[in-house]
Amino acid sequence: EVQLVESGGGLVQPGGSLRLSCAASGFTFSSYDMHWVRQATGKGLEWVSAIGTAGDPYYPGSVKGRFTISRENAKNSLYLQMNSLRAGDTAVYYCARTRPGDYVWGSYRNYWYFDLWGRGTLVTVSS
Amino acid sequence: DIVMTQSPDSLAVSLGERATINCKSSQSVLYSSNNKNYLAWYQQKPGQPPKLLIYWASTRESGVPDRFSGSGSRTDFTLTISSLQAEDVAVYYCQQYYTTPPVTFGPGTKVDIK
Repeated sequence: EVQLVESGGGLVQPGGSLRLSCAASGFTFSSYDMHWVRQATGKGLEWVSAIGTAGDPYYPGSVKGRFTISRENAKNSLYLQMNSLRAGDTAVYYCARTRPGDYVWGSYRNYWYFDLWGRGTLVTVSS
Repeated sequence: DIVMTQSPDSLAVSLGERATINCKSSQSVLYSSNNKNYLAWYQQKPGQPPKLLIYWASTRESGVPDRFSGSGSRTDFTLTISSLQAEDVAVYYCQQYYTTPPVTFGPGTKVDIK
């Protein structure tokens, strides 16, 4: 079965750290860009980070310097190391996959729409 | 960054009636080299992760019922549910992938039964 399963969420104090994991199965993990997307309770979706097939990481300004995304293709696993956590980081964190990109007139284009999502893991930052 | 907006924030539609959700991007998401709009739609039911409905603004994902359709180009897009079913109660999000990173989502539109 094609699926993503997140783990590692929990309660952490402000300023603390947490490492999330995502186990992929049923597809060739190494061939896909992978992402973390979060959602605070009752709020919308916020992209948190991405990692390309070559291990190249991407972050929005809100988490850059605090979060580190990584992958271990041999274990079909994606990770998110979160440091210096703040109350505003409280959310359900989803692992998600995007479709492979393509070359369009010689330029590579990402096709970053999310075709597979995990069920999420809850991170609560509170004292 | 491209900012996505949606309207309305919520709507209530009778069973079997049409539901229309609008999405607007702060700049065009049409890539002229392949004439494709880099716009996707998702459905999120309570307690569940989002589910991909539409990509390239109008291409239905495999397994998505044909009552769901997407239209529009450049900066203005629409998701239409032609005949609302009870199982369609959800929040719907649009997302651009023209300029990445970052990926940006609309704020969501909640659809309920009238």
